[in-house]
Amino acid sequence: AQSVTQLGSHVSVSEGALVLLRCNYSSSVPPYLFWYVQYPNQGLQLLLKYTSAATLVKGINGFEAEFKKSETSFHLTKPSAHMSDAAEYFCAVSVDSSYKLIFGSGTRLLVRP
Amino acid sequence: DTGVSQDPRHKITKRGQNVTFRCDPISEHNRLYWYRQTLGQGPEFLTYFQNEAQLEKSRLLSDRFSAERPKGSFSTLEIQRTEQGDSAMYLCASSYTEGNTGELFFGEGSRLTVL
Repeated sequence: AQSVTQLGSHVSVSEGALVLLRCNYSSSVPPYLFWYVQYPNQGLQLLLKYTSAATLVKGINGFEAEFKKSETSFHLTKPSAHMSDAAEYFCAVSVDSSYKLIFGSGTRLLVRP
Repeated sequence: DTGVSQDPRHKITKRGQNVTFRCDPISEHNRLYWYRQTLGQGPEFLTYFQNEAQLEKSRLLSDRFSAERPKGSFSTLEIQRTEQGDSAMYLCASSYTEGNTGELFFGEGSRLTVL
């Protein structure tokens, strides 16, 4: 069965510091992988997606992620955190023709001034 | 295009009452998904439609839950005899199958509180 594990339910960084949010997936077939962001009391917004093209994927708001098949990972990074990045981030996998997403439990990013 | 819209945004009800949520997907999208999200957790898949056909239901979708998409456009999710454990955010998402690379477009959700 497909699954996603996000290490760290909370990550705290200083403004301007590197952001690293970890995601590992489990899938028996080549997956599509996604990162979504959720602000309080709002729906989910797509940050970026991997669909078997380039392994380094660039998304919105300066975020990027690298697909590493050997490590079954899809970690999200941003070189310099901004206060507006504070939100909940979800990694998700899609593996069949339904295109339904299986989500991780999320990581809350806190940005300190 | 106004995106995926959900109504109501918030619903407070007493245990045992029935509630219904509505989702209007992006107009050209033929697939529609329902998810449930509890506090501190990721969204959990409930069910999805392609046009008016309900193609998959999760084990989370108990007999008290029913979803419809009668004309392949908007969808409703009804919860009968609500329980306190039903308190959650109910998210709707839509997509299209033609040339799809898997992205789902989410609405802002309907938050249910069962007292």
